[in-house]
Amino acid sequence: IAGITQAPTSQILAAGRRMTLRCTQDMRHNAMYWYRQDLGLGLRLIHYSNTAGTTGKGEVPDGYSVSRANTDDFPLTLASAVPSQTSVYFCASSPTGTSGQETQYFGPGTRLLVL
Amino acid sequence: GQNIDQPTEMTATEGAIVQINCTYQTSGFNGLFWYQQHAGEAPTFLSYNVLDGLEEKGRFSSFLSRSKGYSYLLLKELQMKDSASYLCAPMDSNYQLIWGAGTKLIIKP
Repeated sequence: IAGITQAPTSQILAAGRRMTLRCTQDMRHNAMYWYRQDLGLGLRLIHYSNTAGTTGKGEVPDGYSVSRANTDDFPLTLASAVPSQTSVYFCASSPTGTSGQETQYFGPGTRLLVL
Repeated sequence: GQNIDQPTEMTATEGAIVQINCTYQTSGFNGLFWYQQHAGEAPTFLSYNVLDGLEEKGRFSSFLSRSKGYSYLLLKELQMKDSASYLCAPMDSNYQLIWGAGTKLIIKP
C-alpha cells in the first residue's frame, strides 16, 4: 500500500507555463487537500475536496485550480505560473473531511521553482 | 481572525525534556493536532486532543486547555532523531486544520 503519491518530485518551470501537479491515494479517503508550504509560514490550504465531484477553495486559491473526477486522484493545475508560486506543495487526504479526530495523511511533496 | 503562535526555534540536549507551547485562536474548535516534520519530508501525525487535559503516548505527551486556547507538546528522553519541526494545528468549525509555522527543535549531544 503506497498511501499517497505525488508527481513530479521536483520541477523547475518557466513563468507563464502551465503545470499540473499530480496526487493519487489508495486509501479510499473521501477528503483530499492541497497545501503549499513556504519558509516561515504554516501550511496554507489551496483547495480541498470532501468527495469526488466536489471541490472547495482554501485560504490561497488564486492562480490554482483542481478537479476531482474520482476518489483516488486530485490534480492541482497552475494555469500560468508566476515566481510567487515557488513553494513546496503537499497533497493530503483524510477519511471524510467532515469529522474531528481525523488524521490527515500527507504525500511526499512536490518542490516547484518558477523562474 | 484565526491565529496560531508557537516559538520559531528551540534547542535541547539529548536525554532531556522539552515543552513546545502553542496558543491559538480559531473560528470554532474541533480539536488540536500536533505533527512532526523532518527537514525535506512530509508532516506526520503525532497526537490529537479534543478534551482538556494530558494525552500520553510513549515519550510524547500533549496537553490542551480549551478555555485558554493553549496546548503544549512534551517530549521526554530526547533522541537525536527528534530533531525536526513540530507543527501545531487546531481544527476549526469547518473541520479545516489551521497550521502554525512550526517550531524547529534542535537536539544537541
